[in-house]
Amino acid sequence: EVQLVESGGGLVQPGGSLTLSCAASGFTFNFYWMTWVRQAPGKGLEWVATMNKDGSDKYYVDFVKGRFTISRDNAKNSLYLQMNSLRAEDTAVYYCAKYNNYYMDVWGKGTTVAVSS
Amino acid sequence: QPVLTQPPSVSGAPGQRVTISCTGSNSNIGAGYGVHWYQQVPGTAPKLLIYVNVNRPSGVPDRFSGTKSGTSASLAITGLQAEDEANYYCQSYDNSLSGSVFGGGTKLTVL
Repeated sequence: EVQLVESGGGLVQPGGSLTLSCAASGFTFNFYWMTWVRQAPGKGLEWVATMNKDGSDKYYVDFVKGRFTISRDNAKNSLYLQMNSLRAEDTAVYYCAKYNNYYMDVWGKGTTVAVSS
Repeated sequence: QPVLTQPPSVSGAPGQRVTISCTGSNSNIGAGYGVHWYQQVPGTAPKLLIYVNVNRPSGVPDRFSGTKSGTSASLAITGLQAEDEANYYCQSYDNSLSGSVFGGGTKLTVL
C-alpha cells in the first residue's frame, strides 16, 4: 500500500524552528518528486515547496523562501521540511504529497503546526 | 488571494448534476498546464479526484468528470450523492511562480 506519514508537528513560539518529517512506503521513493502543501485553519490548500528526485532542485512559494528548507533522504525514504523564523501565519496542517507530473497523487494525513506564544 | 478562482459554494439535490468552475490565467491553465481536482472531506486529507484535466484515478466513480478550455476548467458531478458533500479544489502549475497553484476551494452541499 502506498503511504505517506508525516510527523514532527507541534506548538512552537514565534521565531522558533521545527522540522517536519514524512516517511514514505509502498512505492520507489527516489523515482518521484515530492512536495509539501499546507492548510491554515478554516482555509484552503496552499503549496509550500517541491523537490525533485535526487534533491538537486528545490522550489518554494515566495512567503517561505529563506525561512523553510525542503530536503530528502532517499536511503531512508523520507522527506523533510525545516522551518525557521516561524510566524503565527505559518500555523497550519502540513501535508506531504507525492508529486507526479505536476499533480499530487498521494497525500499523507498531515501534521499540525501551531505558532503561538 | 488564491491564483485560481473558484466559486465559494455550490449545492444540489441528490441525483442532480453540479459543476464547479476554476479560472486561471495565461501563466497557468492558459499556458497549457494540466488542471487537477481534489476532494477533501472536512477533517481529512485531500484526495486526488481528476488529473490532467480529464483523467480519473482508479476507484473514482465516473460520476466525476473534468474539462478544460482556454484559461478555465470545470469539474462536473452527476447523480449527486450525500457522500459527495465535501470541499473541492482545483490545482495547476504556474510558470511565473515556478510552482503549484490552487483554487480557493468550493464547498459542495448536497441538499
